[in-house]
Amino acid sequence: QITLKESGPTVVKPTQTLTLTCTFSGFSLNTGGLGVAWIRQPPGKALEWLADIYWDDDKRYSPSLKSRVTITKDTSKNQVVLTMSNMDPVDTATYYCAHQSTTVTTHWGQGTPVTVSS
Amino acid sequence: DIVMTQSPDSLAVSLGERATINCKSSQSVLYSSNNKNYLAWHQQKPGQPPKLLIYWASTRQSGVPDRFSGSGSGTDFTLTISSLQAEDVAVYYCQQYYSIPYTFGQGTKLEIK
Repeated sequence: QITLKESGPTVVKPTQTLTLTCTFSGFSLNTGGLGVAWIRQPPGKALEWLADIYWDDDKRYSPSLKSRVTITKDTSKNQVVLTMSNMDPVDTATYYCAHQSTTVTTHWGQGTPVTVSS
Repeated sequence: DIVMTQSPDSLAVSLGERATINCKSSQSVLYSSNNKNYLAWHQQKPGQPPKLLIYWASTRQSGVPDRFSGSGSGTDFTLTISSLQAEDVAVYYCQQYYSIPYTFGQGTKLEIK
């Protein structure tokens, strides 16, 4: 059974850096073809794909956020970490991590809400 | 970026009736080398994370009821619920995973009439 869970701060101040951790079970990032993505959803709005990382450490980023976002993995801990710098109130959203199998987003975490406010 | 446009934005259907949601991409998501459409449908119920229903445009995810079906190719796609159940009330999103950044439609809110 594949499960993912996001953790991190619920509130960050403008200009600060956000660090979110995705802890997963039921699969390994040592397995070919598998990856983890980060996707966010502002309140009442649609979904926005941010970045993903694969078993071979291949990383892809949304071009609009590439200068602010970094994704890394710790295979031994079954974790993927997203950092986003220079946070702004428009970055207020629920942040999801998700399992990807050959680019298909198959399983989602429950999501973690992040509010950017001074 | 590939822009995904869904229609309608909201839809009210009677229980047991058919519901149809459309999705159009700004460029083709059909990869010619493997003849696969890089298009998925996700369902998001109130207060819950999204859930994958359909991938490769027409393949149902394991455990998804067979009243859900996907069709289409290239730039035009459809999600059909053949007989609407009360538990199908949700927002439905199409997603292309053909090119980075993967993009989603704006969502279609499905309600009971």
